[in-house]
Amino acid sequence: DIMMTQSPLSVAVTPGESASISCRSSKSLLHSNGITYLSWYLQRPEKSPQLLIYQISNLASGVSGRFSGSGSGTDFTLKISRVETEDVGIYYCVQFLEVPLTFGSGTKLEIK
Amino acid sequence: EVQLVESGGGLVKPGSSLKLSCVASGFTFSSYGMHWIRQAPKKGLEWIALIYYDSSNKYYADSVKGRFTISRDNSKNTLYLEMNSLRSEDTAMYYCAKYYGLLLPDYWGQGVMVTVSS
Repeated sequence: DIMMTQSPLSVAVTPGESASISCRSSKSLLHSNGITYLSWYLQRPEKSPQLLIYQISNLASGVSGRFSGSGSGTDFTLKISRVETEDVGIYYCVQFLEVPLTFGSGTKLEIK
Repeated sequence: EVQLVESGGGLVKPGSSLKLSCVASGFTFSSYGMHWIRQAPKKGLEWIALIYYDSSNKYYADSVKGRFTISRDNSKNTLYLEMNSLRSEDTAMYYCAKYYGLLLPDYWGQGVMVTVSS
């Protein structure tokens, strides 16, 4: 199984500041078709996960432009610019290159 | 508007069975693959099963293989998860989620809670 390692475990951010979350996979997520099978979700408190970014850097429909993704191969980063209170929750990366799909352990974002 | 509504959860004893349902609306259910993903209390996300749009292929996590069965009825826009020989470690919120083409779950239901306890 592909292992997904996220860091940090939690991050506290002042509104208006930026936050970055790292995700590393145990195997390259780049397929021979050129697609990298890495995405990000946000799970707000008491809610189901919501897709934020797919294939490293593409914003899902309706997602704020303050979210951006980058990386390649096995190392990926989610950046949240100008953090707002509505960004509170747990962020997960996921690989969907192969079954079983595997998720990172999550990064909890809190507001200072 | 896409909607996925899970039901069928509850409190059951170890060793018992339960069948979850997920009713879909707002999209062409028969064209989409579906996942079941669970989340134990205060824990992370665990993928457990997927089924192709036409039921031609099904995949399971090792943790549920041989005990859980995923199925669907495209005429009823409904996804199922039959769970047998339930264990305490199966206690979790169970989510259904859809995908198209690539396996990425792009929309999740609100979840249904399953508690396995004596």
